[in-house]
Amino acid sequence: GQQLNQSPQSMFIQEGEDVSMNCTSSSIFNTWLWYKQDPGEGPVLLIALYKAGELTSNGRLTAQFGITRKDSFLNISASIPSDVGIYFCAGQEPSGNEKLTFGTGTRLTIIP
Amino acid sequence: NAGVTQTPKFQVLKTGQSMTLQCAQDMNHEYMSWYRQDPGMGLRLIHYSVGAGITDQGEVPNGYNVSRSTTEDFPLRLLSAAPSQTSVYFCASSYSKGAKQYFGPGTRLTVT
Repeated sequence: GQQLNQSPQSMFIQEGEDVSMNCTSSSIFNTWLWYKQDPGEGPVLLIALYKAGELTSNGRLTAQFGITRKDSFLNISASIPSDVGIYFCAGQEPSGNEKLTFGTGTRLTIIP
Repeated sequence: NAGVTQTPKFQVLKTGQSMTLQCAQDMNHEYMSWYRQDPGMGLRLIHYSVGAGITDQGEVPNGYNVSRSTTEDFPLRLLSAAPSQTSVYFCASSYSKGAKQYFGPGTRLTVT
């Protein structure tokens, strides 16, 4: 089946730093989604991308749909304590159904 | 709107017991799905439904049954629980073809 590699697996940063993470797939996706999960909660949708090359922002978050359609990037600028959590990428194959494949997540920790 | 709701929040079962995890959404979404989340493995799709009366298998369907008698509800049944089914279960829904899946708060299941 489809495989998604998400990196890094974890990040330890100081408040105020910028953060970058990415996902790569073994085949083409039609849609890329980025989710954040807080402890004990379900994932919450942050950004959705629908076109190759698309660059979309949501506050301090910016995500890009790679031009090869096999990768996506998420950047967080000027991190704050509430950014702590696990970030997941998810991709939808061009098969017409609604199935998503999820990456294994990037755990973000902010060091005091 | 309550969004996607799941019950119970926590459940402990003995091996061989059966139970049903409940999921409901009030957004009139056609597509609903069940995922399990295990440490280091992201979210894996168990079963999904593209509308009332229609269900299909995901990546890890063994040991689970689903049905979709109404648009709102999508219960997940464990017929004979096994320790390997210890996990956190998330239900999600989306408006058909949109790919923006909205997640419930999860059910943490432990099988002893």
